[in-house]
Amino acid sequence: EAQVTQNPRYLITVTGKKLTVTCSQNMNHEYMSWYRQDPGLGLRQIYYSMNVEVTDKGDVPEGYKVSRKEKRNFPLILESPSPNQTSLYFCATSSTRGLKNSPLHFGNGTRLTVT
Amino acid sequence: DAKTTQPNSMESNEEEPVHLPCNHSTISGTDYIHWYRQLPSQGPEYVIHGLTSNVNNRMASLAIAEDRKSSTLILHRATLRDAAVYYCILRDIRGTSYGKLTFGQGTILTVHP
Repeated sequence: EAQVTQNPRYLITVTGKKLTVTCSQNMNHEYMSWYRQDPGLGLRQIYYSMNVEVTDKGDVPEGYKVSRKEKRNFPLILESPSPNQTSLYFCATSSTRGLKNSPLHFGNGTRLTVT
Repeated sequence: DAKTTQPNSMESNEEEPVHLPCNHSTISGTDYIHWYRQLPSQGPEYVIHGLTSNVNNRMASLAIAEDRKSSTLILHRATLRDAAVYYCILRDIRGTSYGKLTFGQGTILTVHP
């Protein structure tokens, strides 16, 4: 079954304590991306990756890091989380082969609270 | 990157058709129109997409204006399970622009029994 798996689903942490949210996919997709969702602001793109070792900034990259060392994984790293990073995070993937017919597949989300 | 504009909310009655509009006046020739929906407590899911011609699938229909500056997602018979936030986005298939996506706030669809 095609899956995009995010872990953890829920995370409560304190300001400044480094954390990583993982995203893994089993569809051999080249493209992966991270979004945050906040009330009234919709989905905003943080970072994306077109393929292994290729990453680029989205609209709201400040305070986040990503890496793409292997195709199936795209972790989101918060080196020093702050309360304004409290949000619902989604990972999404798609194939870049046949760009005309490559919808996004989303994970189920990670709800992060930074106190 | 081209942006889309959608109404904040719409309401429908069960078993009636629903027409969800989206304006994208700055659309480019290489932008595909994608629709996604987000059910409560879930990640967004793909609904339909198209370039110029109208498209149908088992979930919905997509009607694209001749000048491509607007489109309409059509749910032929709304059910309570269709209550969700619907997002219209543009996806540029050119390699240099493919990665960046802007979702906007979407349209909250309420379906009444």
